[in-house]
Amino acid sequence: GESVGLHLPTLSVQEGDNSIINCAYSNSASDYFIWYKQESGKGPQFIIDIRSNMDKRQGQRVTVLLNKTVKHLSLQIAATQPGDSAVYFCAENTPRGAQKLVFGQGTRLTINP
Amino acid sequence: NAGVTQTPKFQVLKTGQSMTLQCAQDMNHEYMSWYRQDPGMGLRLIHYSVGAGITDQGEVPNGYNVSRSTTEDFPLRLLSAAPSQTSVYFCASSHRGGGNQPQHFGDGTRLSIL
Repeated sequence: GESVGLHLPTLSVQEGDNSIINCAYSNSASDYFIWYKQESGKGPQFIIDIRSNMDKRQGQRVTVLLNKTVKHLSLQIAATQPGDSAVYFCAENTPRGAQKLVFGQGTRLTINP
Repeated sequence: NAGVTQTPKFQVLKTGQSMTLQCAQDMNHEYMSWYRQDPGMGLRLIHYSVGAGITDQGEVPNGYNVSRSTTEDFPLRLLSAAPSQTSVYFCASSHRGGGNQPQHFGDGTRLSIL
C-alpha cells in the first residue's frame, strides 16, 4: 500500500547549524502534509503544516518545503538548539473525505554540542 | 486548558484480560482518533470518530473497540488482551476534518501484555 517514508532514520548536527529532515510520500492525491516533533516519553507535538497549493511555508525557525513533482517534503530547522533533539515525523492525509493521517517512520535528530 | 488527557499512563495486563484506555479532550474538537506506536515504526491508526455517535475503523482495528457517546470522551477497549497489543497508545483530536487539520496528541498510555 502507499505510505509515507523518510530517507534517513537518524541525523546528527552541530548546535547552531541548520537541520534538514526529508520525507518521501507516494500518494499523489494527498493534499495536506504535517510535521510533528516527539520528545522521549511524550506525545507528538505539531510543528508546521502545508497544503498542496503551496510550495513553502515558514514558522518560527522552521520551514517546510513541498515538491509535488517528485513527491518530496522537507523540514528545515534553523540554528538548531539542544531542545530540538527529538524524533520528527511527517504525515500526509489520505484523499479527500477519508479524514485520516498516514505517518512516516520518523527521523531521530541528535544535536552535538 | 488540559488539551488531550490519557489515562492510565502505564498499564501491565495478562493475556486475556480486558481493559479500557481513557481519552478526554476539552477543546470541543469534533474529530478524535486512536493510534498505536511500536518501536521503529510510525503511528498507525486504530479507530477514529468524526463526532459523537460516529466511529470508523483505521488501519489496525482488530482486537479493539471504541465508542463515542460524548464530544469530550473517546475510550478504547481491549476485550481480550494479546501480547501483540503491547505498544504505546496515543489519542488525538482536532477540529472537523482529521485529515486536513493538525491533530493534538495526548502523552500516551504505555501498555504491556504478559
